[in-house]
Amino acid sequence: AQSVTQLGSHVSVSEGALVLLRCNYSSSVPPYLFWYVQYPNQGLQLLLKYTSAATLVKGINGFEAEFKKSETSFHLTKPSAHMSDAAEYFCAVTFPTGGGNKLTFGTGTQLKVEL
Amino acid sequence: GAVVSQHPSWVICKSGTSVKIECRSLDFQATTMFWYRQFPKQSLMLMATSNEGSKATYEQGVEKDKFLINHASLTLSTLTVTSAHPEDSSFYICSARVEGIEAFFGQGTRLTVV
Repeated sequence: AQSVTQLGSHVSVSEGALVLLRCNYSSSVPPYLFWYVQYPNQGLQLLLKYTSAATLVKGINGFEAEFKKSETSFHLTKPSAHMSDAAEYFCAVTFPTGGGNKLTFGTGTQLKVEL
Repeated sequence: GAVVSQHPSWVICKSGTSVKIECRSLDFQATTMFWYRQFPKQSLMLMATSNEGSKATYEQGVEKDKFLINHASLTLSTLTVTSAHPEDSSFYICSARVEGIEAFFGQGTRLTVV
């Protein structure tokens, strides 16, 4: 069964510091991986996705993630945190086999950005 | 990206009444729509998957008679919470997908049952 694990339910960084949010996946077949951001009382916005092309994926708002098969990881990074980055971040996995595939979400990481 | 509109954004209802939540794909036709439930400070839990013109597929533990899903067209799916009770209070989110893997999410509906 597919799953993703997000290490650290809460991450706090200073404004301007590096952001690193961790995601490890478990699957028996090559996955598609996603990072979403959720602001309070809102839906999810796609930050970036990995779909078996380039392993380093660049997304919106300066975020990027690298797919590392050997480590089964897809960590999200941003070189310099901004106050507006404070939000909940979810890693998710699905598989490229037919339509209607489900997204399985991690438990989420709350990012706090401090002055 | 594509736009998914969910309505209402929030709703308060009395215990025992039913509430309908709409999910519309505004600029694309969605062959598949998903309904999620999110408890405070928790992740999204998939409730059901619906395909246009067919019955929804419910996840284990989700009461299909309580959470009625109708996907009558390629741009509209509805979730009706029947005979709502306070424990049904939650944040409900829909997502829609065309052929392919990317899903687009609605803005969510905060349901409070009093």
